Amino acid sequence: AQSVTQLGSHVSVSEGALVLLRCNYSSSVPPYLFWYVQYPNQGLQLLLKYTSAATLVKGINGFEAEFKKSETSFHLTKPSAHMSDAAEYFCAVLFYGGATNKLIFGTGTLLAVQP
Amino acid sequence: KAGVTQTPRYLIKTRGQQVTLSCSPISGHRSVSWYQQTPGQGLQFLFEYFSETQRNKGNFPGRFSGRQFSNSRSEMNVSTLELGDSALYLCASSRTGGEGNTIYFGEGSWLTVV
Repeated sequence: AQSVTQLGSHVSVSEGALVLLRCNYSSSVPPYLFWYVQYPNQGLQLLLKYTSAATLVKGINGFEAEFKKSETSFHLTKPSAHMSDAAEYFCAVLFYGGATNKLIFGTGTLLAVQP
Repeated sequence: KAGVTQTPRYLIKTRGQQVTLSCSPISGHRSVSWYQQTPGQGLQFLFEYFSETQRNKGNFPGRFSGRQFSNSRSEMNVSTLELGDSALYLCASSRTGGEGNTIYFGEGSWLTVV
C-alpha cells in the first residue's frame, strides 16, 4: 500500500532563504511521486513529478526535489524563497493497479515567507 | 492548450438538496478523477472514470456518484446534501490514467451546504 507523510504542517522562512519541505513515502512498488502547490482559493498546480527517469527532478518556479530510495524521501527545495511562494504544498504518491490510478496525498505543508 | 475546467466555481446549497458539478478534461485526456478537499480530512479520492466507465471508487457513501460522457467530460452528483459535504471538489485529468501519467487539476468547485 502507498502512503505519504509530510513533516511539518507549517513552515516559515525569510525571503531569500532556503525552502525545504519534507515528504516521506511508503510504497510496495516503484513509486510515482508528485508535488503540487495550492494558492488560496485555487486548485492544485503541478510543481514536479518523479517517474524514475532521474533522481533529481526540476520543476516550475525554481523548485526541485530529490528522490532518495534509501531514505524513502522526496523532499522539495528551493534555494531562495520569494514572497510569491507562500502557499500550501502537497506531496502525493500515485497508487496504481492495472490501468487505474489515484493519488494519495500528504496532509500538506503551509509555507509562509517573511519579508 | 486549455486546462481542466470545472463549473460552477462556487455554489451554495441547502441540506437535503442535490448538486451536480461538471468537469471538462484537457483535450486528449480520457481519464477523469474527482477529489474532495476539506480542512479536516484533507484531499480524498472520490472516483475515477475512463472511457465512460468507473474504474475506481473511494470510500464515500452512495450519495456521491458520477459519470463520464463520450467526449470525456465528467459530472459528479451529490444527493441529499449534508453539512459535512461542504468542501472543495477537485477534478483531475490524465491521458489514460496509467502509470507515469501526469495528473492535472482544475480550479475546483467550492460547495457550501447550509
